[in-house]
Amino acid sequence: ETGVTQSPTHLIKTRGQQVTLRCSSQSGHNTVSWYQQALGQGPQFIFQYYREEENGRGNFPPRFSGLQFPNYSSELNVNALELDDSALYLCASSFAGEEKLFFGSGTQLSVL
Amino acid sequence: QKEVEQDPGPLSVPEGAIVSLNCTYSNSAFQYFMWYRQYSRKGPELLMYTYSSGNKEDGRFTAQVDKSSKYISLFIRDSQPSDSATYLCAMRRNSGNTPLVFGKGTRLSVIA
Repeated sequence: ETGVTQSPTHLIKTRGQQVTLRCSSQSGHNTVSWYQQALGQGPQFIFQYYREEENGRGNFPPRFSGLQFPNYSSELNVNALELDDSALYLCASSFAGEEKLFFGSGTQLSVL
Repeated sequence: QKEVEQDPGPLSVPEGAIVSLNCTYSNSAFQYFMWYRQYSRKGPELLMYTYSSGNKEDGRFTAQVDKSSKYISLFIRDSQPSDSATYLCAMRRNSGNTPLVFGKGTRLSVIA
């Protein structure tokens, strides 16, 4: 059984640029969630995907968007990067209806 | 008032001590309660999961939920230096489709 994997592990961008982060869910899991964790804070929910559709969204602007693919892998896209977008971005997978989330190691994004 | 409150610490204890970590919450709709351990710049790792009120024990770890007081705890017995990490409480209202709401995390150091 493979765990949740994310790529890249680290990324440096400049303000105004666009970024795509990738996630492969744990084997057998069909639901993917994305969280943003600023330094010294707990993770904040961005959105969740199930069956390639967004089925829940936190308090994040539309420039945060995502995709889920038929193999349940997922992408997080952020347009018009701002300095405050610097954070650890975490992907979590689960089986639909199950309460436990399993997280990847995250992508550390720095916006300069 | 934040939905989930957690003292960020830091908390420093000697090896072998009993550690008590806790969170309070304001939303009485929360039913599923979790504790995650997060090492520096890594993704959160699920430690304990509890549904509704009660206790759950797993090795050196015990999780307690008191829904009447909106208070959850994690106890670590015989603490080890390898337990040094940030501990995040998390909770959700319903199974599956609702996001996890996290505390800020408590940073724990176990000194040999």
